[in-house]
Amino acid sequence: GENVEQHPSTLSVQEGDSAVIKCTYSDSASNYFPWYKQELGKRPQLIIDIRSNVGEKKDQRIAVTLNKTAKHFSLHITETQPEDSAVYFCAGGGNNNDMRFGAGTRLTVKP
Amino acid sequence: GAVVSQHPSWVICKSGTSVKIECRSLDFQATTMFWYRQFPKQSLMLMATSNEGSKATYEQGVEKDKFLINHASLTLSTLTVTSAHPEDSSFYICSAPLYQETQYFGPGTRLLVL
Repeated sequence: GENVEQHPSTLSVQEGDSAVIKCTYSDSASNYFPWYKQELGKRPQLIIDIRSNVGEKKDQRIAVTLNKTAKHFSLHITETQPEDSAVYFCAGGGNNNDMRFGAGTRLTVKP
Repeated sequence: GAVVSQHPSWVICKSGTSVKIECRSLDFQATTMFWYRQFPKQSLMLMATSNEGSKATYEQGVEKDKFLINHASLTLSTLTVTSAHPEDSSFYICSAPLYQETQYFGPGTRLLVL
């Protein structure tokens, strides 16, 4: 089965700076890697995802990169804003692997 | 977009009672749904996979006789916490995949067992 590790567990940045969160996965058969944002007491919301046939995907201030050889993927948030403060989860799975979540990163953007 | 609802949103019960939580996919069908438990400041822990028309698949360490799962239709899965105890207090979230991959989450059910 899949095992996903996520770092760092907490991240504090100044408004306008960039934030990077990294995840590694164990099963090379996994081919789908979503990122979720969860605000306190709310459901996780999908913010971006990437499949194993591409190396990078971007959506406005958010980008995800995937290195299949090294089995790691990263979330990049540029020009951070206070409303980006939340817990971010990476996940990996697909191709008959159940989706497994990383431990989460608590991002704080200071105004 | 895909919408998943969950009911109730919160429940308080006495120790020893059973609690049923419903998860519905409102605008799409899901042959599979997932149930997670989330303790404060922790990640989502997969408890079980709910399969329409067959038995649920439980993760290691999750008691199937305590957490009963029924996938009654292509849009409804239920999780029943039987003989609940204070240590079962948690945030329970379901999800349903769209196109077999993208998970859409319900709003969660906060359970407090006194």
